[in-house]
Amino acid sequence: EAGVAQSPRYKIIEKRQSVAFWCNPISGHATLYWYQQILGQGPKLLIQFQNNGVVDDSQLPKDRFSAERLKGVDSTLKIQPAKLEDSAVYLCASSLALGVTESSIQYFGAGTRLSVL
Amino acid sequence: LAKTTQPISMDSYEGQEVNITCSHNNIATNDYITWYQQFPSQGPRFIIQGYKTKVTNEVASLFIPADRKSSTLSLPRVSLSDTAVYYCLVGSDYKLSFGAGTTVTVRA
Repeated sequence: EAGVAQSPRYKIIEKRQSVAFWCNPISGHATLYWYQQILGQGPKLLIQFQNNGVVDDSQLPKDRFSAERLKGVDSTLKIQPAKLEDSAVYLCASSLALGVTESSIQYFGAGTRLSVL
Repeated sequence: LAKTTQPISMDSYEGQEVNITCSHNNIATNDYITWYQQFPSQGPRFIIQGYKTKVTNEVASLFIPADRKSSTLSLPRVSLSDTAVYYCLVGSDYKLSFGAGTTVTVRA
């Protein structure tokens, strides 16, 4: 079974530039998550989708971050414009469903490491 | 959302058992306890999940006392490849959050 795919693996940009990350979840998984992980910290949830609807985006800095999940499958996370403090690993995860049962176990991609100079 | 407290780091040696305790005093009735493992340059990986008593799978055991205010992840006979960060998550529905985790270092 294919895992969660993310691209690119690495990205280096200058501050005030724009960047986009792509995620393809495991086939059949209805729930998709985007996390930001700063070096030395645990992952921080940015946004969570159930199919193509947003379940939770309370920690998404909406003045510069946006995310979409068209057709309830692939998802894109965008930062525009980027700031130095956005340097982090951006992780995408998916799960079969919502709720904390076996079906809510999250499967993570390898992440995209973003460096903002 | 239940707050969790874990040790920042733990050291062990190959072949030993490692026990990581997570405190979650304000756990709610519907909350489950889930543990993830993360290696450098990788995303977290699910280890085990439980609600009460004891759960065991091929890689770990999870012990949850009757009051559910804490839980202990047990890794039997660790090897160098078990060196990683371990996260304890407590929640229900979709409200889960990762803390700083416990860095476990296994030495030869």
